[in-house]
Amino acid sequence: GDSVTQMEGPVTLSEEAFLTINCTYTATGYPSLFWYVQYPGEGLQLLLKATKADDKGSNKGFEATYRKETTSFHLEKGSVQVSDSAVYFCALSDGGNNRLAFGKGNQVVVIP
Amino acid sequence: EADIYQTPRYLVIGTGKKITLECSQTMGHDKMYWYQQDPGMELHLIHYSYGVNSTEKGDLSSESTVSRIRTEHFPLTLESARPSHTSQYLCASSQLANQETQYFGPGTRLLVL
Repeated sequence: GDSVTQMEGPVTLSEEAFLTINCTYTATGYPSLFWYVQYPGEGLQLLLKATKADDKGSNKGFEATYRKETTSFHLEKGSVQVSDSAVYFCALSDGGNNRLAFGKGNQVVVIP
Repeated sequence: EADIYQTPRYLVIGTGKKITLECSQTMGHDKMYWYQQDPGMELHLIHYSYGVNSTEKGDLSSESTVSRIRTEHFPLTLESARPSHTSQYLCASSQLANQETQYFGPGTRLLVL
């Protein structure tokens, strides 16, 4: 079935550093792709999305580009802040049954 | 800001007790979901509903049950809690016309002793 794979392990970096979180997907059709963020003690929030190949989603300084040729949707931010410390989930929806398939999530810790 | 609420936020309970986790949303969304989030953070869909009187099993088998008597309310019940039920439970909702964008509640952390 459709699935999402995120890079293993937490990510720890210093304030103002460049952040990349890798996400690749497997899907039979043409899925929509999402990044959700979970701040400490809260539920998930939609961060950005892209619905077709070559689309770029962006929000709060984060960006991700839908790459069909590499089946990827990597999340990037040029200069992180302490307030970006959270868990980030990549997800896809195949449109058929409109269910989201989530990756395992990546804990991001930004140190002042 | 999402208008979806979960109570309690934290619950510690003994084995064998019956519990109900509450979820309510004020956005008029027809579709609602329950996810179980394990300590490794992975999310598993355990139940969902398309609207009143609709309930469906998700991808992960669960001993819990759900009901949908009112559009805004989607409670989850465990008839007899066990330590294996210890987890975080997240409720979410979406419009039927835009099911890809889900709005999540803050979650309930359940610890069964």
